[in-house]
Amino acid sequence: GQSLEQPSEVTAVEGAIVQINCTYQTSGFYGLSWYQQHDGGAPTFLSYNALDGLEETGRFSSFLSRSDSYGYLLLQELQMKDSASYFCAVRDPGSARQLTFGSGTQLTVLP
Amino acid sequence: NAGVTQTPKFQVLKTGQSMTLQCAQDMNHNSMYWYRQDPGMGLRLIYYSASEGTTDKGEVPNGYNVSRLNKREFSLRLESAAPSQTSVYFCASRPSLDGGIQYFGAGTRLSVL
Repeated sequence: GQSLEQPSEVTAVEGAIVQINCTYQTSGFYGLSWYQQHDGGAPTFLSYNALDGLEETGRFSSFLSRSDSYGYLLLQELQMKDSASYFCAVRDPGSARQLTFGSGTQLTVLP
Repeated sequence: NAGVTQTPKFQVLKTGQSMTLQCAQDMNHNSMYWYRQDPGMGLRLIYYSASEGTTDKGEVPNGYNVSRLNKREFSLRLESAAPSQTSVYFCASRPSLDGGIQYFGAGTRLSVL
């Protein structure tokens, strides 16, 4: 089976940098994804790491260390609109490549 | 460019009633998924379909059935709704190329009284 752990809440101020960590235990690992979900909205894809290292997409970066079963999402130059829930998810090796999601981290950005 | 479309957006049922949640995608994706999301929790996979004509159980399939009607459509049926099935239901689809990405519909908010 798969299990993921991430902090339930993180608070930061506008313009700051915040890191959301994710540790996982899996029977097989093919990659770590990150999704953003605003209140009442649908999850939207942010980033994916299949290999160790840092992936950068604008203000958002994601890091993976497969040897440590650990990854993080880094959000820079925080804006009020970044207030949302952030989910890490591991990709199952099955034919449909289904995802198993963590419980999510609620990020609150303060002015 | 609709993406993944779910209907209805909201639904209230009485215990024991049945209903079908509809999902359609226009991106020519093979794989489709049904999730439920409860307050304070992540998404849990109910059923998935790797391709047209195939369906498989996910983490929480009890009380649900699915139909992959064609490549575009994947429906979720509650035969006898229970209060424990009060949740937000999301449908998603995945492109063939790898990349850990799934595209989600806007969700169906279901209350079972």
